[in-house]
Amino acid sequence: QQQVRQSPQSLTVWEGETAILNCSYEDSTFDYFPWYHQFPGESPALLIAIRPVSNKKEDGRFTIFFNKREKKFSLHIADSQPGDSATYFCAASAAGANTGKLTFGHGTILRVHP
Amino acid sequence: DPKIIQKPKYLVAVTGSEKILICEQYLGHNAMYWYRQSAKKPLEFMFSYSYQKLMDNQTASSRFQPQSSKKNHLDLQITALKPDDSATYFCASSQDGGTGYAEQFFGPGTRLTVL
Repeated sequence: QQQVRQSPQSLTVWEGETAILNCSYEDSTFDYFPWYHQFPGESPALLIAIRPVSNKKEDGRFTIFFNKREKKFSLHIADSQPGDSATYFCAASAAGANTGKLTFGHGTILRVHP
Repeated sequence: DPKIIQKPKYLVAVTGSEKILICEQYLGHNAMYWYRQSAKKPLEFMFSYSYQKLMDNQTASSRFQPQSSKKNHLDLQITALKPDDSATYFCASSQDGGTGYAEQFFGPGTRLTVL
């Protein structure tokens, strides 16, 4: 069964620190790895995504590090802000199959204290 | 203006009844999806459609039936409702460029409670 494992379940950091969220996967056909965030009462929204052709993707304070050999990828949020407090979901898909199915991790609840 | 409309926002149903969840998107996308989110499970893929054609079905039960009357509509009919069906149902859409890497945009969700 395709699975995406995410850790930690919850994470608390102080404002200005770097938050690190981790994910791993099993299925070697996965070739697209997005991160979504979800604020309470809202729907998930895409934050940043990576394909395995590269091992790093940056977008402002958000960086994905990808390790294909170990089947792991992580999201680093630099200079964390209280407004970053949300639930973060990693996901994976076999984009080549073109069904659009995203398999999500269980989520990490991030709290950033001012 | 909202780009993905889901109706209703909240829905309470009794066990054994049937309900239809409505989804319309005005992003010009040709791929649409249904996901389910509950306290017990993370975001869970249910269906995907591209150009009104079913691409993938990951629901084990035939009680869940998607209905696409127009390219920008993908409704979800749920029959013989059970308390375990209680969840927030999200509709999503993407511009299917054939690569499968297109960003999926999520609607606001329908929160279903089955008593």
